[in-house]
Amino acid sequence: EPEVTQTPSHQVTQMGQEVILRCVPISNHLYFYWYRQILGQKVEFLVSFYNNEISEKSEIFDDQFSVERPDGSNFTLKIRSTKLEDSAMYFCTTGDGDYGYTFGSGTRLTVV
Amino acid sequence: GQQVMQIPQYQHVQEGEDFTTYCNSSTTLSNIQWYKQRPGGHPVFLIQLVKSGEVKKQKRLTFQFGEAKKNSSLHITATQTTDVGTYFCAGNNQGGKLIFGQGTELSVKP
Repeated sequence: EPEVTQTPSHQVTQMGQEVILRCVPISNHLYFYWYRQILGQKVEFLVSFYNNEISEKSEIFDDQFSVERPDGSNFTLKIRSTKLEDSAMYFCTTGDGDYGYTFGSGTRLTVV
Repeated sequence: GQQVMQIPQYQHVQEGEDFTTYCNSSTTLSNIQWYKQRPGGHPVFLIQLVKSGEVKKQKRLTFQFGEAKKNSSLHITATQTTDVGTYFCAGNNQGGKLIFGQGTELSVKP
């Protein structure tokens, strides 16, 4: 069964540092999303990406966040200057627009 | 903004008992999806409901979508220990993003 691959699985970074989370979507999927889940809480929408541009973003997705597909396959989430409250599990999600979405295994980001 | 409320937050059952979780959206949805997340895992897609009043079954799981397309439920008959996890509903509007409910954490005592 096709999978969404995320790297790294765990990232520890110092406050103020930049991090890049990477995702390899399912090849025939057109819709890409980033969600995050703070420990023990619900899954929160960050941003959706379609046709090489952001289609929607949440209030969480402020100027410190950016997404791109640098090589047409990988899908990345960059946090420019991490804060303690950015500590969470970040899930990359992809879909074909018709049915449910496939979540990657996530990157656990710990900001210290 | 759009909100999706889910109850209960926790449910502890004896193996063999039934389980139900309920989901309510503040706005009409184009579809609703259900996901299961095992402890330490990622959400895994279970099903999507699109039509008003739709009912779908997957073995012991029954999913319903309300007539107004604003509420939904997941019912598990005769729970097993393998059913343990957190069940999330997620509302989907035309824009495609999912708004997740808070989830119902199910524990099953053997």
